[in-house]
Amino acid sequence: AQSVAQPEDQVNVAEGNPLTVKCTYSVSGNPYLFWYVQYPNRGLQFLLKYITGDNLVKGSYGFEAEFNKSQTSFHLKKPSALVSDSALYFCAVRDEGYSTLTFGKGTMLLVSP
Amino acid sequence: NAGVTQTPKFQVLKTGQSMTLQCAQDMNHEYMSWYRQDPGMGLRLIHYSVGAGITDQGEVPNGYNVSRSTTEDFPLRLLSAAPSQTSVYFCASKRESGARNTEAFFGQGTRLTVV
Repeated sequence: AQSVAQPEDQVNVAEGNPLTVKCTYSVSGNPYLFWYVQYPNRGLQFLLKYITGDNLVKGSYGFEAEFNKSQTSFHLKKPSALVSDSALYFCAVRDEGYSTLTFGKGTMLLVSP
Repeated sequence: NAGVTQTPKFQVLKTGQSMTLQCAQDMNHEYMSWYRQDPGMGLRLIHYSVGAGITDQGEVPNGYNVSRSTTEDFPLRLLSAAPSQTSVYFCASKRESGARNTEAFFGQGTRLTVV
């Protein structure tokens, strides 16, 4: 079975400050990990994915994520937040033995001016 | 290249009515899926397909039917709508062959209200 947890319903950060959105996962095999962003009344947009061997993954809009196998985590980060980063962020996992993608419940990121 | 197209964008149904949510992709992706998004629940998988003629149930399949007669289309049928099916529905597709860590592409969603 595969599962993913996003422990924070909401993250608040001031513009210009670094941000972190947390994600932990559980799989029985090797994980394939993803981050997606959803703006209001829109579909999900792909941000970045974990590729075996690169623990620090860089993605769209200046976002990056750090894969930590011992802590089973894949936290999303950005060095300097923008107001326009305010959106709903989803972490997703796929066990290498499965076809389906399992999503977390989402974390609302609010960046204040 | 349109990507994943969902129709309609909005729909209101009465309890007991049936309808079909359409999903089409033009990327020749083998894998297609339907999710529902509810507040505080994230996205939950309803049904998925790994290729034409092959479908399987996800986490919340009850009350929904799917079929996959072509690679491009993956319609979701509500057999007898219930208020509990009020939700936002997303269709997604991804390439299955080749690299296994391919990302999914999502449609813009269908907002369904059952009264």
